[in-house]
Amino acid sequence: KNQVEQSPQSLIILEGKNCTLQCNYTVSPFSNLRWYKQDTGRGPVSLTIMTFSENTKSNGRYTATLDADTKQSSLHITASQLSDSASYICVVSDTYASGGSYIPTFGRGTSLIVHP
Amino acid sequence: NAGVTQTPKFQVLKTGQSMTLQCAQDMNHNSMYWYRQDPGMGLRLIYYSASEGTTDKGEVPNGYNVSRLNKREFSLRLESAAPSQTSVYFCASRLTSPSNEQFFGPGTRLTVL
Repeated sequence: KNQVEQSPQSLIILEGKNCTLQCNYTVSPFSNLRWYKQDTGRGPVSLTIMTFSENTKSNGRYTATLDADTKQSSLHITASQLSDSASYICVVSDTYASGGSYIPTFGRGTSLIVHP
Repeated sequence: NAGVTQTPKFQVLKTGQSMTLQCAQDMNHNSMYWYRQDPGMGLRLIYYSASEGTTDKGEVPNGYNVSRLNKREFSLRLESAAPSQTSVYFCASRLTSPSNEQFFGPGTRLTVL
């Protein structure tokens, strides 16, 4: 069974500090891995996507890494801001099908709180 | 371009009542999904529709029905609500591309008393 595990469950940091969130997966065959940010009371929004051949991708202060051999990904947030307070969800897909039979596997998310 | 819209935003039901959650997307996406999100559980797939005219069960379909009314609209119906269905419900649609990105609506917060 495909699984995505995220750690830590929750994290509290001070504004301006860096942090790293982890994602381990047992999804096979691997297609891509996406990180979503979910603000309180809103739907998830995509931050980055990584395919098998990519090992680093940045989106502003967010940098995602992927190690397809160990099946691990991390999301690094640099110089955190209050607006980074959110849940971060790791989502892994095992197929790409143009017909729509795309059922990704979701992690349970890491809740990040940034204090001033 | 509104993206994915959901109505209502909030709803309180009594056990045994029925209701329909509405979802619409204006991005011409083929695939649409219904998820529920509970504390500590993450997003769980209830039903999905790969294309207009087709629907399939997800991980937690019991107690729900869906209708893909047309390409834009995908509704979720609770025939006889139970307290276990108290949750936040998200609709999503999918861009058919190698990126497989899902776009989510703002959610419906449902409480069943």
